[in-house]
Parts: sequence; structure tokens; C-alpha cells
Amino acid sequence: GQQLNQSPQSMFIQEGEDVSMNCTSSSIFNTWLWYKQEPGEGPVLLIALYKAGELTSNGRLTAQFGITRKDSFLNISASIPSDVGIYFCAGQTNTGNQFYFGTGTSLTVIP
Amino acid sequence: DAGVIQSPRHEVTEMGQEVTLRCKPISGHNSLFWYRQTMMRGLELLIYFNNNVPIDDSGMPEDRFSAKMPNASFSTLKIQPSEPRDSAVYFCASSSTTTYTGELFFGEGSRLTVL
Repeated sequence: GQQLNQSPQSMFIQEGEDVSMNCTSSSIFNTWLWYKQEPGEGPVLLIALYKAGELTSNGRLTAQFGITRKDSFLNISASIPSDVGIYFCAGQTNTGNQFYFGTGTSLTVIP
Repeated sequence: DAGVIQSPRHEVTEMGQEVTLRCKPISGHNSLFWYRQTMMRGLELLIYFNNNVPIDDSGMPEDRFSAKMPNASFSTLKIQPSEPRDSAVYFCASSSTTTYTGELFFGEGSRLTVL
């Protein structure tokens, strides 16, 4: 299957700091999705991106669809303790409608 | 609107027993996906259906695993016989291919423990 490289694998930050994570693929995607998963729950969709270069915000979260269509970025501004969780990227090619997932970024916010 | 509904939320069983996990996708969604999540392997796609038809089952680990989607509102994932290495969280997700926004929505998962 497709390989999505997500980095960093984990982050420990102080409350109030900004966070950046990214996802890269060996293939071109036509959709990028970003999810957050909390313990004992399913992944929850945060942001969806559909066009190269697209920049979309959801509150303190901002995600971008890379120009090459092989990468995407998620930024969280002014982190708060409830941002703690695992963040996943997911991509979809135009040859099928299955979604490929990154390995996740575990975020810990220290109050 | 109701999201993706999975049952059971938790299942503990003994090796060799049959396990059946159930999923009700979001109404109107025509694609359904079964994923398995473990610490070691992350989220793995097992199988997905379009319009109730299995499209790609290459992720199904072995013949002990089977999935069905008899209608647009119900799917099952069955493991028979179960083994300890099947212990994981199994997620069902659904999406629509008939709209521009192909977003994927997950259920809360079924945590399986095989002793």
C-alpha cells in the first residue's frame, strides 16, 4: 500500500506554544485529511483539503495541501491542554477511494 | 445525525472462539471501510466496500477474517477462529463517493481482546 511518512512521531510542548507537523507521500494525492484521536475514541476529522496549495483553518488549527500534492502540513497555534492526542494525516489518490494513513504524531501539552 | 455506529465497544474472548463485529455506516454513505489499529502497525485498512460490493480486501490478514455488507446500512467483520494476535481496536468508517467532499468518518471502535 501507499506509504505516508508523518513527522514528528511525538511532541512535548508547553501550553501556549505553536505546533507544526507534516505528512509526505511518495504518490500524488487529491485529498488530504487531518484527524485527531483521543484515548478510547475513534479518529475525529479536523480538516479536509481538496486542492493543491489550499490553506484551510478550523479555529486554532490550520492545514495546507502542498503544491506538489505529495505533502500536507498541520499547525496548531497557542496550544492548550485539550489539544493532547494523536494526530493522523490521511490521503486519497484519484485511482480509488481508499484512504491511506500516516503513522501519527503524539502530542503532549504541558500546562 | 447519527455517526458511524459500531458494536460491541469491547469484546473479550478466548482463543478459538468466533468474533463478530458490527457496523452501521452514516445514512447515505456508499463506501464502508474496516480498519485495525495496533500500537505496532497503526491504522491498517482491512477491506472496503463501495455500494455494498467488496472492492479491495488485500488487507485482510488471512482466511480467518471475513467481511460482509448485505445492505447499505449494515456490515460485519468476522474472525473465526480468533487468536491472541488479533487483539486490537477495529474501526469502521464510511464516506460518500457521490459528493465532492470525500470525507471519511469513523466509529468509536470495537476493542477486541483474545485471551
